[in-house]
Parts: sequence; C-alpha cells; structure tokens
Amino acid sequence: DAKTTQPTSMDCAEGRAANLPCNHSTISGNEYVYWYRQIHSQGPQYIIHGLKNNETNEMASLIITEDRKSSTLILPHATLRDTAVYYCIVRGTSGGSYIPTFGRGTSLIVHP
Amino acid sequence: KAGVTQTPRYLIKTRGQQVTLSCSPISGHRSVSWYQQTPGQGLQFLFEYFSETQRNKGNFPGRFSGRQFSNSRSEMNVSTLELGDSALYLCASSEGQVLFEQYFGPGTRLTVT
Repeated sequence: DAKTTQPTSMDCAEGRAANLPCNHSTISGNEYVYWYRQIHSQGPQYIIHGLKNNETNEMASLIITEDRKSSTLILPHATLRDTAVYYCIVRGTSGGSYIPTFGRGTSLIVHP
Repeated sequence: KAGVTQTPRYLIKTRGQQVTLSCSPISGHRSVSWYQQTPGQGLQFLFEYFSETQRNKGNFPGRFSGRQFSNSRSEMNVSTLELGDSALYLCASSEGQVLFEQYFGPGTRLTVT
C-alpha cells in the first residue's frame, strides 16, 4: 500500500508562506502526488498534483524531491481562509484495485 | 456550471436497514468516486465508476455497493446497516481518473441508530 506521512498540525501567520511537507517514500515511479484540502464541514477541494517536476497554479506550488520520496506544498501568502486540513495523497494497489490513501492530513491554522 | 450534488444531505436509519445515496456529477464528468469519512478512520475510498463501469474498489465489505447510470449519475447502497456505518459519505466527480481535479459534493451525513 502506498502511504503518506504528514505533520498532524502546523500554524502560520497571515501573509506568510505556509510550507506543508509530506513523506511518500513508497510511491511508485509513475504515480502522481495529489494535494487536497478540506475546510470544516465542506467536501475536500483539489489544490494541485505533480509527478516529477515542480508545479504551480493559482492556489499553490508543489515541490517534489528528485527521488520523489517527499514533497512540499507551498501556499505563498496564507490567508485566514486557508485554515483547513491538507491532505497529501498517493494511490497504490490494494486487493487488485488502484486506490487513493488519504492519511490524516495536516491541520493548518493561519492566525492574524 | 452546477457543482456536484448529493441527496439526501442527512439521513437517519436503524441497524439492519439498507440505504441508497445519490450523486449527480458535474455536467460532462464521467468519473464518479465515493468516499467514507469518519472521525476514527478519516477519509477512505469506497469505489470509482467511469462510464458505468466500476474501475476500482476500496477495502470495504460487500454490503457496500454502487452503480453508475448512462447519464453519469451514481448511487451507492449500503445493506444491513451497522452502527459503524455512521459517517459522512462524499461523492466526487472528474473528467478522467480518480483524484485528477476531482470536485467533491457536500456529502450525505448518515446516522445509524
């Protein structure tokens, strides 16, 4: 099973960059890393995904190490609305299926 | 574009009963996935459907089943409900594979008494 490890919680000052790490040392060579976040009482929201190269979109940047065993999600200018649980997800085989594993995620609190 | 809709939003059932939850994906999305979220186990993948075919299934007992219709709408069914089935059931849709820019619905909160 592919698994991810993330810090349970982090905090960040508003306006500063939030850097959320994730370890995925068992990721297979052709598998993507996905990041989603979940704001309390809402469904998860897609943020970004990547394979080998660093990726950037309007929400965040994703830095993947060269050995692909870990990655960091960067929110360049965190706001209070970025307070959420952030999930780093990879897929792996289980019982003949190819399924995503969410893990417990990182609870990010952005404070004024 | 309308988002992913799930019905009902809240449901209370008794042990031993069965339940059917419905999900309408975003127009044009052919992939629908279902997830269970509980405080104890977190977010867990149930299954994924694409063009009416189940592509992947998570580690859940056979009491959990689903299907997808030709219009991409999906239903999941849980038979012989147990107390441990109380959870938020989330549906997500995307154009292609699971997790690729999936859009989640608000979920159905199921309480089993």
